[in-house]
Amino acid sequence: GEDVEQSLFLSVREGDSSVINCTYTDSSSTYLYWYKQEPGAGLQLLTYIFSNMDMKQDQRLTVLLNKKDKHLSLRIADTQTGDSAIYFCAEGGKLIFGQGTELSVKP
Amino acid sequence: NAGVTQTPKFQVLKTGQSMTLQCAQDMNHNSMYWYRQDPGMGLRLIYYSASEGTTDKGEVPNGYNVSRLNKREFSLRLESAAPSQTSVYFCASRTDRVGQPQHFGDGTRLSIL
Repeated sequence: GEDVEQSLFLSVREGDSSVINCTYTDSSSTYLYWYKQEPGAGLQLLTYIFSNMDMKQDQRLTVLLNKKDKHLSLRIADTQTGDSAIYFCAEGGKLIFGQGTELSVKP
Repeated sequence: NAGVTQTPKFQVLKTGQSMTLQCAQDMNHNSMYWYRQDPGMGLRLIYYSASEGTTDKGEVPNGYNVSRLNKREFSLRLESAAPSQTSVYFCASRTDRVGQPQHFGDGTRLSIL
């Protein structure tokens, strides 16, 4: 069946760039999403990319999509302590979620 | 805008008790979803409803029932709670337009002793 994989943890220093990676199996996905979950809260949509795009930039966020390898990444430039959260990638209309990557930003 | 509202926010149950988790959305969305979130496992789909009057099983439906009461409300029921159902439960909704994301509630934290 469809599957989405992410690494579980990432730790960076404040001011560095963070790159969170995701691989997926469903090549028919039209859209791929990144959600952010802060402690004790629900999921907020961070950004998304249409499957016919390779890259999308939105302020400090850059999403890269490699359809051939079914690989999606989220780059956060100038990472701040407020970016500490769990980041989920998701694909498909019913949204198959990855396990989530916990980003820890150290001052 | 309220968006997606879940009640209660927290609940502790004893094994064998029953419980209904409530979810309502005010965005006129057709589709609604129930997920559970467990550490290291992401979100797993329990049930979803593509429109009023229809429901379908997701990845982990066993031990749960749902009701799509009307377009706004989608409830999740645990008939006989088990410790394995201790989790955080999220409700979400979305419009039918292609590519539109889901909107999530803040979750219900459920502990079963």
